[in-house]
Amino acid sequence: AQKITQTQPGMFVQEKEAVTLDCTYDTSDQSYGLFWYKQPSSGEMIFLIYQGSYDEQNATEGRYSLNFQKARKSANLVISASQLGDSAMYFCAMREGDTGGFKTIFGAGTRLFVKA
Amino acid sequence: GAGVSQSPSNKVTEKGKDVELRCDPISGHTALYWYRQSLGQGLEFLIYFQGNSAPDKSGLPSDRFSAERTGGSVSTLTIQRTQQEDSAVYLCASNPLGGLRADTQYFGPGTRLTVL
Repeated sequence: AQKITQTQPGMFVQEKEAVTLDCTYDTSDQSYGLFWYKQPSSGEMIFLIYQGSYDEQNATEGRYSLNFQKARKSANLVISASQLGDSAMYFCAMREGDTGGFKTIFGAGTRLFVKA
Repeated sequence: GAGVSQSPSNKVTEKGKDVELRCDPISGHTALYWYRQSLGQGLEFLIYFQGNSAPDKSGLPSDRFSAERTGGSVSTLTIQRTQQEDSAVYLCASNPLGGLRADTQYFGPGTRLTVL
């Protein structure tokens, strides 16, 4: 079974609008962390945001926020006020703290295209 | 400070040859990962080293793949008898303390392997 599922292979958004990138996860652990990374065409991996399973508040980092719905096992990334430079691949990742031995696994990614 | 470095940056080899890929993590980082990323795809987990614990090799796709981490620092990923399907970018990442923390992984620039 897939541990991390990103159902949107590609997304388009108009510049200055908000966009939500979906991520669902599967774990039986109580302790886990969720991450989002951005990978521009240059290939580097850029950390965006982190949410711990025990965090009660949704994580926010500038224009990025994580819509964490624990019961639904979803951790969607919301990018507000999209910019042309946001065009990239976005990966959701999970680090499991109990059975997973703390290793981090990634979803297949969503390619975001920001239109001018 | 230096980031994660990988060498070589590019490797072209003939089918059936062995290759070694090297990763120098950030000094002091206890956790080290190898991932494989095929063109336009997500990150496939290969192997995870955490301190002095036995490595998690659950992601290695076949027994042609092996990895070592010497002295808790440098890691070498070895692919024996390479096949064309091994062609991909091999990414190394490290993070400071491991465990379930908000510390992000720091990624190297990757080694692009092409098997002819």
